[in-house]
Amino acid sequence: EVQLVESGGDLVQPGGSLRLSCAASRFTFRTYWMSWVRQPPGKGLEWVANINQDGSEQYYVDSVKGRFTISRDNAENSLYLQMNSLRDDDTALYYCARIGYCHGDYCRGVSINDYWGQGTLVTVSS
Amino acid sequence: SYVLTQPPSVSVAPGKTASISCEGNKIGSKTVHWYQQKPGQAPGLVIYYVTDRAPGIPERFSGSNSGNTATLTISRVEAGDEADYYCQVWDTESAHVVFGGGTKLTVL
Repeated sequence: EVQLVESGGDLVQPGGSLRLSCAASRFTFRTYWMSWVRQPPGKGLEWVANINQDGSEQYYVDSVKGRFTISRDNAENSLYLQMNSLRDDDTALYYCARIGYCHGDYCRGVSINDYWGQGTLVTVSS
Repeated sequence: SYVLTQPPSVSVAPGKTASISCEGNKIGSKTVHWYQQKPGQAPGLVIYYVTDRAPGIPERFSGSNSGNTATLTISRVEAGDEADYYCQVWDTESAHVVFGGGTKLTVL
């Protein structure tokens, strides 16, 4: 079955940086759009970013635009989220998720997350 | 920006039908997806493209969408259905994914 394993979460001070990774396996990673979704403690889901199959298109929620960068390495079957200028309200469990039930460019406007990792916790605090 | 509004909580007795609403401006023109999240677990896909059930999801789960309201309906509710449920759409105008605030389903 599809496997997504996040890592890189940590305690970091406000203004600091962190890089999250997501190792994908048991599916053809290079053919799927991917997402990062986060969930602050005790709160709901918030979409963070999407990236297309070859990494040439990225979409971000407004609150992270200019601070976070989603990227991927298809040779390594890995998804990344570089987070800079971290703020207290970035504290959350960050999930990596696959976008399924679509093909090619149609996935741009679909964003159905059919598989999710277990998440990695980012805590921003002084 | 596009906003999806869900009731914070819905309660239902076992064996009855639960309806969870998701309100948004002209949401009937969008494709809606639903996720289930049980305590301590990652979210899981329940319904996609408004009415399609994800693999392993029982027929008791169904979806609809019209006007300004999308609805997830769970028939013959079981104790195991107790979870948080989230609706999701893609907003073409902003090129953003939007989640509803989530609804906690309690089985009495």
